[in-house]
Amino acid sequence: NAGVTQTPKFRVLKTGQSMTLLCAQDMNHEYMYWYRQDPGMGLRLIHYSVGEGTTAKGEVPDGYNVSRLKKQNFLLGLESAAPSQTSVYFCASSRRPGQAWDHPQHFGDGTRLSIL
Amino acid sequence: AQKITQTQPGMFVQEKEAVTLDCTYDTSDPSYGLFWYKQPSSGEMIFLIYQGSYDQQNATEGRYSLNFQKARKSANLVISASQLGDSAMYFCAMREGLDSSYKLIFGSGTRLLVRP
Repeated sequence: NAGVTQTPKFRVLKTGQSMTLLCAQDMNHEYMYWYRQDPGMGLRLIHYSVGEGTTAKGEVPDGYNVSRLKKQNFLLGLESAAPSQTSVYFCASSRRPGQAWDHPQHFGDGTRLSIL
Repeated sequence: AQKITQTQPGMFVQEKEAVTLDCTYDTSDPSYGLFWYKQPSSGEMIFLIYQGSYDQQNATEGRYSLNFQKARKSANLVISASQLGDSAMYFCAMREGLDSSYKLIFGSGTRLLVRP
């Protein structure tokens, strides 16, 4: 019963390095999201996708790119990491809310990313 | 203006007592949903309870209930008979019907500590 799986769980990068965070869901959900969580703040939306091949910007998209080539996967990329991107990153997925308005987003366990 | 406000950064409660975590929201959308999530120290986000804007009755899920006061735009979480395992961060979140992303907007959270 995997649900939403994030890879890796922890990572330390140097400023300027690049990396990709992988999110995989096995619930056949249409919608997928990437959030970041900083100390003292709630989660903020980076990018989201409403279906395979589609992506859109959220509240804090600068410095990130995403891709959704397959319905079950949503990738978050950092092209040139900066210390301000040190955060915990959460991926989430949900059914199309029109089908079940009360359907919650299901979250992965998070990726703790430190940029030195 | 913040859309979700949680004014209690931290709270204590004695084991077996009830506790109320406050959440106020701001939206002009007539159709919206309110969610509460629990984040234990291990970091995952656990969905607790949902309240829809058109729901006539307050939501309940086991020991969790939602005190929904639409006119006051508040959706407080009530935890009855607190247990040590309830110690965690609690986030209130809102989904707006007119927002096609159906993203969740989070408050800054309340850290609850249950005393034995």
